[in-house]
Amino acid sequence: DAGVIQSPRHEVTEMGQEVTLRCKPISGHNSLFWYRQTMMRGLELLIYFNNNVPIDDSGMPEDRFSAKMPNASFSTLKIQPSEPRDSAVYFCAITQEGGGNTGELFFGEGSRLTVL
Amino acid sequence: QQPVQSPQAVILREGEDAVINCSSSKALYSVHWYRQKHGEAPVFLMILLKGGEQKGHDKISASFNEKKQQSSLYLTASQLSYSGTYFCGTLTGGGNKLTFGTGTQLKVEL
Repeated sequence: DAGVIQSPRHEVTEMGQEVTLRCKPISGHNSLFWYRQTMMRGLELLIYFNNNVPIDDSGMPEDRFSAKMPNASFSTLKIQPSEPRDSAVYFCAITQEGGGNTGELFFGEGSRLTVL
Repeated sequence: QQPVQSPQAVILREGEDAVINCSSSKALYSVHWYRQKHGEAPVFLMILLKGGEQKGHDKISASFNEKKQQSSLYLTASQLSYSGTYFCGTLTGGGNKLTFGTGTQLKVEL
């Protein structure tokens, strides 16, 4: 079964601090996505990778945000410095590799970030 | 640009039907539908790949009108378990950039 593990599940930090969110796909995948969800803006695509290569980062809000995928099993989303308006739930999602790929997104459980 | 969904919210009594609409200002390659329960991640319902395609599983089905750049999700004989927020996701070009709609909150009551 396809799946994604995200950590931390919850993070509370103070404005100005660096935040690193982690995503670990536990199955083969073609693409990996980072989404941000807020009440005001809904589910926004921040960036996505195909075969570990960043394809579209037009959704990354500003230079304070960066994402990496050093290998097929790991990705990070970093915010430095963090601001209160970054408070949101951040989801990592994958599309499954191989003949069963229907384009379905498999989401992790999300990382809830609160910046005070 | 984000697809627009309507209605924004709907309350049903168990057994009633509902329709959720998704409209895009851009030509659509495909439409996905997801349901998200409170505090959980979105879960895939179905994908429609061709204009005119209709799909369904259980009592949830969807249609895709490519010309009108719209999709509709139909929930019949609603159950309490249908409660949640429904999102359409659209692909408007090559690649995998799935853009989610504004969401529709559905609550099913006894």
